[in-house]
Amino acid sequence: KNEVEQSPQNLTAQEGEFITINCSYSVGISALHWLQQHPGGGIVSLFMLSSGKKKHGRLIATINIQEKHSSLHITASHPRDSAVYICAVLKTSYDKVIFGPGTSLSVIP
Amino acid sequence: EPEVTQTPSHQVTQMGQEVILRCVPISNHLYFYWYRQILGQKVEFLVSFYNNEISEKSEIFDDQFSVERPDGSNFTLKIRSTKLEDSAMYFCASDGGTPRFGPGTRLLVL
Repeated sequence: KNEVEQSPQNLTAQEGEFITINCSYSVGISALHWLQQHPGGGIVSLFMLSSGKKKHGRLIATINIQEKHSSLHITASHPRDSAVYICAVLKTSYDKVIFGPGTSLSVIP
Repeated sequence: EPEVTQTPSHQVTQMGQEVILRCVPISNHLYFYWYRQILGQKVEFLVSFYNNEISEKSEIFDDQFSVERPDGSNFTLKIRSTKLEDSAMYFCASDGGTPRFGPGTRLLVL
């Protein structure tokens, strides 16, 4: 069983839709990252969370440490949001990062 | 805004050759990482580096791999004897509170 899982694997949305991507993990963590990987391969860090909720523009990330679950929400989605969204966790007591498989998002005009 | 840079952007090499991938992290960051992504697969952690030494490494990071920070600015990943399965995109990242990723080096081993 993968230590970090994401759902859905693929997601197609109409422009303007509210999008939710989920991440669940099975290990103790000190922090969780949401990353965006563009079609060209470049990776951008969107959020780092250790508790609660963070918001940046149209992006909102939440984490529930007890349930070992995090969600990334995109409000008013736009075609430029099309990318792979990756959840990655930093394991407790280690500097080891485990990546989820990614969710491929396509937003259609 | 400072960026993490990586060179070369692409490298093609023959199986068995040594390659050195270079990264210039953000200057005041203290944590450095190498990751790789085989085409079509998820990103995988290779190694983390702090205070001029390896702090954690994955099962992938075997004796064929090494990292160095030779001059206080560059951060290098060396693969001693490349194998076909080393073909991947290699990302460097540095972290001073928020991880910043380099653009990657695409390595192709023939």
